[in-house]
Amino acid sequence: GAVVSQHPSRVICKSGTSVKIECRSLDFQATTMFWYRQFPKQSLMLMATSNEGSKATYEQGVEKDKFLINHASLTLSTLTVTSAHPEDSSFYICSASSTGRDNQPQHFGDGTRLSIL
Amino acid sequence: AQKITQTQPGMFVQEKEAVTLDCTYDTSDQSYGLFWYKQPSSGEMIFLIYQGSYDEQNATEGRYSLNFQKARKSANLVISASQLGDSAMYFCAMREGRGNQGGKLIFGQGTELSVKP
Repeated sequence: GAVVSQHPSRVICKSGTSVKIECRSLDFQATTMFWYRQFPKQSLMLMATSNEGSKATYEQGVEKDKFLINHASLTLSTLTVTSAHPEDSSFYICSASSTGRDNQPQHFGDGTRLSIL
Repeated sequence: AQKITQTQPGMFVQEKEAVTLDCTYDTSDQSYGLFWYKQPSSGEMIFLIYQGSYDEQNATEGRYSLNFQKARKSANLVISASQLGDSAMYFCAMREGRGNQGGKLIFGQGTELSVKP
């Protein structure tokens, strides 16, 4: 089946560091990918929609300059957390759909646990 | 605005018994899709089952079935013959539109299921 790969799975770094997270669709092309953020014991909150070849669409309240999204190819979207601070510590997870069929679910990467010291 | 509600923060079930996880939704669209995902403690999101708004029959996938009551706007997940490995967070999600590869998912708050031996 369709697979989405996310890397790295865990990051621990100092405050002020910028962190890049990659999301790859391994066996399908994805013109659209999605980035979510999840705090412990809470739901997934959509941060932004990543569009291949164009600017990402950010949800209300998400800082565009803090969370940079680049969707340079049909199989790769990256999320860069710039100048990360402890409050950016969270679980980040991406997803993509392989087709336009109604019953095709979004496939998720395994997520990235980001810890800012 | 779309909304997904899961009113059960936590549920317990005895191994081998069936359990129902509740989900209600609110949308003004006629066409939408409903999904259930399982999230173990490791964090990955596992797709379980899909129900389309125009589907006349309730969806079933192995031990998972979806009790879809359109008039009541509910899409409850039924897990039969619970197993210890079913212990996880379960999220109900909705996507609007048909054939929409770019359709984002809106998630409910989640239900933490614990299966007792």
